Amino acid sequence: GAVVSQHPSRVICKSGTSVKIECRSLDFQATTMFWYRQFPKKSLMLMATSNEGSKATYEQGVEKDKFLINHASLTLSTLTVTSAHPEDSSFYICSAPFPGVGNEQYFGPGTRLTVT
Amino acid sequence: AQSVTQPDIHITVSEGASLELRCNYSYGATPYLFWYVQSPGQGLQLLLKYFSGDTLVQGIKGFEAEFKRSQSSFNLRKPSVHWSDAAEYFCAASEGGNKLTFGTGTQLKVEL
Repeated sequence: GAVVSQHPSRVICKSGTSVKIECRSLDFQATTMFWYRQFPKKSLMLMATSNEGSKATYEQGVEKDKFLINHASLTLSTLTVTSAHPEDSSFYICSAPFPGVGNEQYFGPGTRLTVT
Repeated sequence: AQSVTQPDIHITVSEGASLELRCNYSYGATPYLFWYVQSPGQGLQLLLKYFSGDTLVQGIKGFEAEFKRSQSSFNLRKPSVHWSDAAEYFCAASEGGNKLTFGTGTQLKVEL
């Protein structure tokens, strides 16, 4: 089946630094990818839609200057958490729709970000 | 507004017992419907999906779900639960493959 990878799986950074998370579709092309944030024991909250070749679309309440999204190619989207603070600590998950009926989405394994 | 509701936050069943996880949706038209499972610290794995056609959908790991338009429901079932089924289960919906709306999840605990 289709595979989506994320890197890194875990990252610890200090307050004020920036962290980049990569999301790759390994065996299919994705013009759109989605970035979610998941708090402990909570559901997934859609942060933004990453669009290849154009600007990302952010959900209401998500700071686009803080969460920079770049869809560099048809298989790669990156999320950069800028000037990270402890409240940005969370589990970040990306997904990519597989081309076809319903555009079924495949999810990456997630990235655990801890800001100290 | 579009929404997906999972009324049960936690469910505990004994191993070997049957399971039903509830999911209701509120959309203007019938959306595409999905059930995902998430193990701790992991991403989401698709169990099954409904786009159209037969309202009883078979998925992986012995799961099935039934779409009921009249009840706006898409409940997940399994005849006999295994200890390895303990996880978080998410119901989700989308319109035409666009962004997913997730329910709040149901935490399944399996007693041995």
